[in-house]
Amino acid sequence: NSKVIQTPRYLVKGQGQKAKMRCIPEKGHPVVFWYQQNKNNEFKFLINFQNQEVLQQIDMTEKRFSAECPSNSPCSLEIQSSEAGDSALYLCASSGTISNERLFFGHGTKLSVL
Amino acid sequence: GQGVEQPDNLMSVEGTFARVNCTYSTSGFNGLSWYQQREGHAPVFLSYVVLDGLKDSGHFSTFLSRSNGYSYLLLTELQIKDSASYLCAVRGDRGGSGNKLIFGTGTLLSVKP
Repeated sequence: NSKVIQTPRYLVKGQGQKAKMRCIPEKGHPVVFWYQQNKNNEFKFLINFQNQEVLQQIDMTEKRFSAECPSNSPCSLEIQSSEAGDSALYLCASSGTISNERLFFGHGTKLSVL
Repeated sequence: GQGVEQPDNLMSVEGTFARVNCTYSTSGFNGLSWYQQREGHAPVFLSYVVLDGLKDSGHFSTFLSRSNGYSYLLLTELQIKDSASYLCAVRGDRGGSGNKLIFGTGTLLSVKP
């Protein structure tokens, strides 16, 4: 069973609405990744954190998403204004080391934008 | 450009073996990982390789050839429950792709009785 907890499991939003999802990484893991897996099984890297700091993010994330990993609180990823193309499975993963040989994934949040 | 390529589908028979291929092109190379993902579930780590050659881990073995940008995951003594998607992921160098893993789209393995 995954020890990375993602909520909610399913999320349904209308176009233009905000969509927020959360992730509790495995205890003691300082590195957190967010990936988007679309219906064609393509993984798109969105953003990663080390502790509370953003290491890397793509343009789309910077412009349309809001993400944070505060200390002692779940990490979160929020789409400011949902679009139909945002419908996908959003996977959060954590790693115990910055070298990331092994990622531990959550079950994901399946977002449907109507 | 950078990318990881895998065949979409693979079919094999219970009790035999299956080889899942992966080719990659990345800016630098800092390791390749294999994950198993069942429908509706989280990807689960299987193996990590960074050196050339065959790494035998029992039911799963992995092969890497860095000069050819090629790896395979070998599953032996297949069971029906091995039916799943197998994802290949490569980590490039920090200056190029950064420290993130670049994933392939996965190979859906179907194991038949």
